[in-house]
Amino acid sequence: EVQLLESGGGLVQPGGSLRLSCAASGFTFSTYVMSWVRQAPGKGLEWISVVSASGGSSYYADSVKGRFTISRDNSKNTLYLQMISLSAEDTAVYYCAKGTTMITGNYFDYWGQGTLVTVSS
Amino acid sequence: QTVVTQEPSFSVSPGGTVTLTCGLSSGSVSTNYYASWYQQTPGQAPRTLIYSTNTRSSGVPDRFSGSILGNKAALTITGAQADDECDYYCVLYMGSGISMFGGGTKLTVL
Repeated sequence: EVQLLESGGGLVQPGGSLRLSCAASGFTFSTYVMSWVRQAPGKGLEWISVVSASGGSSYYADSVKGRFTISRDNSKNTLYLQMISLSAEDTAVYYCAKGTTMITGNYFDYWGQGTLVTVSS
Repeated sequence: QTVVTQEPSFSVSPGGTVTLTCGLSSGSVSTNYYASWYQQTPGQAPRTLIYSTNTRSSGVPDRFSGSILGNKAALTITGAQADDECDYYCVLYMGSGISMFGGGTKLTVL
C-alpha cells in the first residue's frame, strides 16, 4: 500500500525558514517523480514543485521560485521541501504527491494527508 | 500569464449527468496537456479520478470519464450521487516541468 507521510509543518515567523519531509513507503520511491502541492485556507490547490526520480531535475511555480528548494533522498525514501523567506501568503496545508516515472505528462496518483504551515508573528 | 479555467460552481440533480470543463485563458487544451482530475472533500486530501485526459485511476467507478470537448478538457459524471458533492480540480501539464491547477469547481447535487 502506498503511503506518504508529511512532517515538519508548524508555526513560523515571517521571514523564517522551515523544512518539510515526506516519508514514502509501499512503492519503489527512486522510480517515481514526486511533487509538492499546497492549499491555503479556504482556497484551491496550487502546484509548487516537482523533482525527477533521480533528483537531478526540479521545477518550481513562480510563486516559490528562488525561495523553496525541493530535494529527495532515495536511500531514505524521503522527499523534502526547504522553505525560506516565508510570508503569510505561504500559509497552507502542504501535500506531497507521488507522480509518474517521467516529469513530462506528470500527474499525482497518491497523496499524503498534508502538513500545515502557518506563517504568523 | 496563462490561467487554467474551471467553472466556479455547478449543480446536478441526483441521477443526472454533469460535465465540468478545464480550459486555458489563452489557447486550446489538447491531449498534449495530459489533463488530470481530482476530487476533494473538505478537510481531506485530494483523490485522483482521471489522468492523461481519459484514463481512470484505480478504483474510480466508470461513472467518471474524461475527454476533450472542443478546446477544453472535460470531466463527465453520470448517475450523480449525493457523495459526489465536493470540489473538483483539473491539472494541466504546461511543459518545461510546470503543472497548473484550475481554480476548482464546487459541485452541488440537489
